[in-house]
Amino acid sequence: DAGITQSPRHKVTETGTPVTLRCHQTENHRYMYWYRQDPGHGLRLIHYSYGVKDTDKGEVSDGYSVSRSKTEDFLLTLESATSSQTSVYFCAISESRGLAGGREQFFGPGTRLTVL
Amino acid sequence: SQQGEEDPQALSIQEGENATMNCSYKTSINNLQWYRQNSGRGLVHLILIRSNEREKHSGRLRVTLDTSKKSSSLLITASRAADTASYFCATLNRDDKIIFGKGTRLHILP
Repeated sequence: DAGITQSPRHKVTETGTPVTLRCHQTENHRYMYWYRQDPGHGLRLIHYSYGVKDTDKGEVSDGYSVSRSKTEDFLLTLESATSSQTSVYFCAISESRGLAGGREQFFGPGTRLTVL
Repeated sequence: SQQGEEDPQALSIQEGENATMNCSYKTSINNLQWYRQNSGRGLVHLILIRSNEREKHSGRLRVTLDTSKKSSSLLITASRAADTASYFCATLNRDDKIIFGKGTRLHILP
């Protein structure tokens, strides 16, 4: 999976508890992304980062926050988990940006989160 | 909202046959990418086609892009059991956002 790991791979938690998912890359890519994948919705972007301490919101950012203090790590935090956040979460990385350059994304193996 | 919409949602074909999947999108794009996802795994990039290209090949994959119709197709020739997966199109739009479609589930029958 192109030097991308996610931890944990599976987690079951209760409503109202905080949850942090970690994405770690060894590729030194500048861009990192968090997606969630749900049946009938495909992949939806939650947040992304374009550099250390530089982040921006995606399509479904409500209820999520992110932090990137090092190039290699991108953390996704659910401050107070809800059942609607039960999903499979994927981290992705890409090297380049630019409208003409195209950005191939490399995906991690995913984290399956269940909020009871 | 989702930009790309794949069609069909699911497709079953015999091994050896060709599989064609389509993707439609709504706004102007810079490029369109196709990804494959095997069950329980992350997505894997297959091919990228830029907005000024009309056709691209990679091994058994052939991608076409028709910007006037805002559509793309992915053709997998001589399908194999290992091609069983979900296939997603993703567009990079003029706002520099990548948006994924909901995917086509392809099942290759032995």
